Amino acid sequence: EPEVTQTPSHQVTQMGQEVILRCVPISNHLYFYWYRQILGQKVEFLVSFYNNEISEKSEIFDDQFSVERPDGSNFTLKIRSTKLEDSAMYFCASTLVRVLGNQPQHFGDGTRLSIL
Amino acid sequence: AQRVTQPEKLLSVFKGAPVELKCNYSYSGSPELFWYVQYSRQRLQLLLRHISRESIKGFTADLNKGETSFHLKKPFAQEEDSAMYYCALSGRDQGGKLIFGQGTELSVKP
Repeated sequence: EPEVTQTPSHQVTQMGQEVILRCVPISNHLYFYWYRQILGQKVEFLVSFYNNEISEKSEIFDDQFSVERPDGSNFTLKIRSTKLEDSAMYFCASTLVRVLGNQPQHFGDGTRLSIL
Repeated sequence: AQRVTQPEKLLSVFKGAPVELKCNYSYSGSPELFWYVQYSRQRLQLLLRHISRESIKGFTADLNKGETSFHLKKPFAQEEDSAMYYCALSGRDQGGKLIFGQGTELSVKP
């Protein structure tokens, strides 16, 4: 069964540095998402992406964040200048159609981001 | 406000006992409700969605619009059911994003 893959599994970065988290969604999927989960807290929506543009973003997704689908297969999340509070597990998800009635979102294993 | 509430952080039962993981939601439109499960060191996986009304691994969940609830139930818990369970909501006007509850850790003891 096809899977969403995320790399790296763990990223350690100094505060203020840029970080790029990578995701390869399932190949025929059209909608892509990033979520994050701070330790001990709920999974939170960050951004959704369709047709090469952001379709929705949350309050968390400020100017420090950006997403890109540079080559038709990868889907990246960039944090320009990391802060301590960016430490979290970041999940990528993809789905074939936006209306979820028949198509669930498929999640990757996540990238654990640790900011020092 | 759009919100999903799972009141229990941890639910501990013995093998063979019935299980009910509670989920309440707040949403102004017509929501779609889901249960996701995360087994130890594995990814989030879809367990159930309300529109399919199916039973997966013995689990069922019924959407109660009057009580705005979507509780997950299983009559006889198994040790392999031990995992984190997340209730999630999506609405047709939300671009497909999922709003998650805090999660409930289910621990099934032998």
